[in-house]
Amino acid sequence: EIVMTQSPATLSVSPGERATLSCRASQSVSSNLAWYQQKPGQAPRLLIYDASTRATGIPARFSGSGSGTEFTLTISSLQSEDFAVYYCQQYNYWPPLTFGGGTKVEIK
Amino acid sequence: QVQLQESGPGLVKPSGTLSLTCAVSGGSISSSNWWSWIRQPPGKGLEWIGEIYHSGSTSYNPSLKSRVTISVDKSNNQFSLRLSSVTAADTAVYYCARWQGSHAFDIWGQGTLVTVSS
Repeated sequence: EIVMTQSPATLSVSPGERATLSCRASQSVSSNLAWYQQKPGQAPRLLIYDASTRATGIPARFSGSGSGTEFTLTISSLQSEDFAVYYCQQYNYWPPLTFGGGTKVEIK
Repeated sequence: QVQLQESGPGLVKPSGTLSLTCAVSGGSISSSNWWSWIRQPPGKGLEWIGEIYHSGSTSYNPSLKSRVTISVDKSNNQFSLRLSSVTAADTAVYYCARWQGSHAFDIWGQGTLVTVSS
């Protein structure tokens, strides 16, 4: 099973600032990685797939990078609606498909 | 556009069987997609349970495989989850989701909370 590790667990950021979230895979997953945003009481929403491709309707302030075992999600200028929990997920080897433990982005 | 809606009992007794259905609307379950179940214990992260294709092919999380059955009902455009021998550890919000190839899980249901308690 591929273990996905996200850091930090919590990120405190002021509105308008840049946020950088990390995701590490226990072995190479190539570029087969997605990022999701989840707000309280809601289902996750797909942000990024194939490590760097924004999903339909996702603002350009969200960007993904990386390949192999190291990945980054960057939110260039945090808006109030961006405070949420973010999950990475690999789909290079399954079963099982695996998610990271999440990074909570909170208001500083 | 495609929408997913989970339904089923919100309370299941320990050692019983959890049964949920995901109705697909706005599109056909026979499209070229896999359909998954994912769960999230309260305050915790996401766990993939398994997936099914409209042909009936399935893939399960090895950690749950002995207790999980996912089935498809093409005539009613829906798929279902059965999880047997449940314990309190199976208490979670259960989501159904569409897997669109390398587009990952692009569509999710709103989720349904299932509590395992006597």
